[in-house]
Amino acid sequence: KNEVEQSPQNLTAQEGEFITINCSYSVGISALHWLQQHPGGGIVSLFMLSSGKKKHGRLIATINIQEKHSSLHITASHPRDSAVYICAVTPDSNYQLIWGAGTKLIIKP
Amino acid sequence: NAGVTQTPKFRVLKTGQSMTLLCAQDMNHEYMYWYRQDPGMGLRLIHYSVGEGTTAKGEVPDGYNVSRLKKQNFLLGLESAAPSQTSVYFCASSYKVSEAFFGQGTRLTVV
Repeated sequence: KNEVEQSPQNLTAQEGEFITINCSYSVGISALHWLQQHPGGGIVSLFMLSSGKKKHGRLIATINIQEKHSSLHITASHPRDSAVYICAVTPDSNYQLIWGAGTKLIIKP
Repeated sequence: NAGVTQTPKFRVLKTGQSMTLLCAQDMNHEYMYWYRQDPGMGLRLIHYSVGEGTTAKGEVPDGYNVSRLKKQNFLLGLESAAPSQTSVYFCASSYKVSEAFFGQGTRLTVV
C-alpha cells in the first residue's frame, strides 16, 4: 500500500465547477504539500501546511491531522487550472518527501 | 533570483554514453533532491543530499551517481546510459521542512 494515496486519479469537469482532490497518508508527518504541474511544465509548490486551512486566490487546502487526510479545493474552476495536482508529505521521521501519484485535472470550457 | 536551475533542458544520448545533469540553487537550501518522472508514475527519488559533501540513495539509485561539492550545486551523473533511463529528471531543493522548489526539468532520451 502506498503511503500517500490521492483520489481521484483523473478528474474532468466543466468550467465554473467546484473541484475537490483528496490526499490520504499513513505516516506521521511534519508537513503536507500540494504542488501543481502543467503539461510539459515544471512543478510549482501551491501550499505547505501542517494544520488547519490555507487559502490562496481560488485555491483552498485543508488538513485533518487526526484523520491523516487533506483536501485541495478549487473554486470557480477555469481551463487554466488544468494540470496535475500532486500531494506530498514530509514524514516526521526524516526529511525525504513521500509523493502521491498525482491527480490529472481537466477543466473544459 | 533564479531559484532552481537545471541544465541541460533536453538531451539525447546513445546507449552507453555518459552525461552529467547540473542543478544549481541560489536560496542557500540545505536539502537537494534528484527525481525522475515517468509516464503514469509519480516522482521517484533517485538520490538526495542533506548538505554540502553528503549524499544518500533514494528509491531508484541504480545507474546514477551524484555529488554535492558545493552547497548550491547538486550533480547527477549517468556513467553508461541505458534506454530505461529515458525520463524527465527534476531537481528540487528545500530547507528541512519547507516548500520544495523545483527546476524546470530535463527531458532525457536514451536511444
